[in-house]
Parts: sequence; structure tokens; C-alpha cells
Amino acid sequence: DTGVSQNPRHKITKRGQNVTFRCDPISEHNRLYWYRQTLGQGPEFLTYFQNEAQLEKSRLLSDRFSAERPKGSFSTLEIQRTEQGDSAMYLCASSPQGAVYEQYFGPGTRLTVT
Amino acid sequence: QKEVEQDPGPLSVPEGAIVSLNCTYSNSAFQYFMWYRQYSRKGPELLMYTYSSGNKEDGRFTAQVDKSSKYISLFIRDSQPSDSATYLCATLSRGDDKIIFGKGTRLHILP
Repeated sequence: DTGVSQNPRHKITKRGQNVTFRCDPISEHNRLYWYRQTLGQGPEFLTYFQNEAQLEKSRLLSDRFSAERPKGSFSTLEIQRTEQGDSAMYLCASSPQGAVYEQYFGPGTRLTVT
Repeated sequence: QKEVEQDPGPLSVPEGAIVSLNCTYSNSAFQYFMWYRQYSRKGPELLMYTYSSGNKEDGRFTAQVDKSSKYISLFIRDSQPSDSATYLCATLSRGDDKIIFGKGTRLHILP
């Protein structure tokens, strides 16, 4: 399967703990995006990378959130000192060069903060 | 006013009917229009994208964009129970990097 993959699929953590999610994009795609989706809402943009460079971050991305894509392949999203409001589906997507409108999503990581 | 408005539904139609899903948007700079399908607890799946105004057809799906009224539609012909999902419309300005999504419309196809 050459689609976008995300791990873990589910994560339950206690408030105050740190969590890290991983995304592996489609191999030939140089752009990688992170979104957050809560129940009854569409995905909301968090940040994106072109190769290893992080080019934009949303206001939604507080200082507790950090994302990396060290070698321009997979990416990680870390949330420090989790809060109950961080409970959501975290989605990763990738797109080919020059085709931002053609984003392919992974299955998501569902985070529950207790 | 949100940039992309979409009726959350749910919308229930009998199997075989034609389904019409719609969105309105506020920013005239939007040039790309996408439709995604999302099954429960899964990631969104890109169905179609169009550029500017006009129609685009792919199998049982037709996307339509009317930029003069800032209205986008997705039509599903011969609807099947497997089409039951949430449908998300999305838009993008040319030269921008952030897709703006609607809230999604929940669709139920009744056997």
C-alpha cells in the first residue's frame, strides 16, 4: 500500500503527558500537512512542510505543539503537556509538488486526553 | 461568517436516488474546489477537484462550481448504501497553501 500512513491509530493519555505521532507520506510527495479534526467539524490546518522546511504554522498550533520532518520523508507531531482540549483526530496529508489542491490523507491518529 | 458553509445534515435519501450536496463560500479568491468523502473514524478521501467554474464528471459523481454565486455542488447518481458517509467540500486560493474545509454533510443512503 503506497498511501499515507499514520501511527499510532489511537492514543489515550493522561492530561499533562507528552505524546508523539508519526506520519509517512506518499513517497514521491514533497509536501506534508498536519490537520486537526474534532467531532462535527472539518479538518483544520495546523502546519505544513515542503521537503524538510516547515513553511507555515496556524494560530491553532500553540507552543506546546511541535512538528518536524527531519529528512523530508516522515514527519512527527509532538504535543507536550497535553490538555483535554487536545482530544481530537490528528490527520496527516501529502501532496505532489505544485498540486496543493490534491492532498491525500492518512487514516488519522485519534487522541483522547483523560 | 465562516469562509465555507455547509449544511451538516443528516441527509437521508433512498437507494438509487440522485443526491445533491452543496456548499457556499465567501472568498472570491478561491480558485480550487475539492470534494472529500469521509467514512466514520477514517481519514478524508479525495473524490474530485475542479479549477474555477464549470462541471467535472467522474463516474457517478459530478462536481459543479458557480463562481458568480459562490456555490459549489456535488451530485451523486444512482446512489448506493456504500455512499453513506460525510462529504466535505474544500476550497483553496491560487498561490495559497491552506485548504479551507466545510464542516461536512452526513449522508445516509437507505436500502
